[in-house]
Amino acid sequence: QVQLVESGGGVVQPGRSLRLSCAASGFTFSSYAMHWVRQAPGKGLEWVAVISYNGSHTYYANSVKGRFTISRDNSKNTLYLQLSSLRGEDTAVYYCASKGDGSGTIRYWGQGTLVTVSS
Amino acid sequence: DIVMTQSPDSLAVSLGERATINCKSSQSVLYSSNNKNYLAWYQQKPGQPPKLLIYWASTRESGVPDRFSGSGSGTDFTLTISSLQAEDVAVYYCQQYYSPQYSFGQGTKLEIK
Repeated sequence: QVQLVESGGGVVQPGRSLRLSCAASGFTFSSYAMHWVRQAPGKGLEWVAVISYNGSHTYYANSVKGRFTISRDNSKNTLYLQLSSLRGEDTAVYYCASKGDGSGTIRYWGQGTLVTVSS
Repeated sequence: DIVMTQSPDSLAVSLGERATINCKSSQSVLYSSNNKNYLAWYQQKPGQPPKLLIYWASTRESGVPDRFSGSGSGTDFTLTISSLQAEDVAVYYCQQYYSPQYSFGQGTKLEIK
């Protein structure tokens, strides 16, 4: 079955950087676009970024454009999110997510990793 | 950017009664070439990631009870729970995937009256 396991979260000071990872298994990782979605404490879902199956195309939410970078290593079945110039409003649980066949949209989600931006 | 707006923000319904959640997109999410609405509904319970309920606006995900249904086209959509069960207490989100930059509604919190 599909498994997505995020790691790399933690407490980081404003202005600093952090890299999140997502280890994927149970499906052909190199065939699917991958997403990051975040959720601030007690708030709703916010889509963050997507990368195409081969990494050639990326799109970002306006709130993170120029500060976050999504990437992937298909040889390692791993998705990344580089977070830079972090702000308090970036504090959230970050979910790795993938499409499912036929649905056209996100079907599978990891359990999330918490990033806390605080001095 | 496509903005998704849900109504109401919260809803209390008696067990066995119907619950209706609305979602409006700032532009049409109907793709004319395939006549599909790029609209999904998710359910999220506390401490859990979201769960896909409905995609293409009205296709129920495998394993989702048939009391859940989706309808609508273009810019206006509805999620209906025909007979509310206790396990349906959750926050529900609509989401568009018409644009490469996906977006979610703000969420509707569903409770038991």
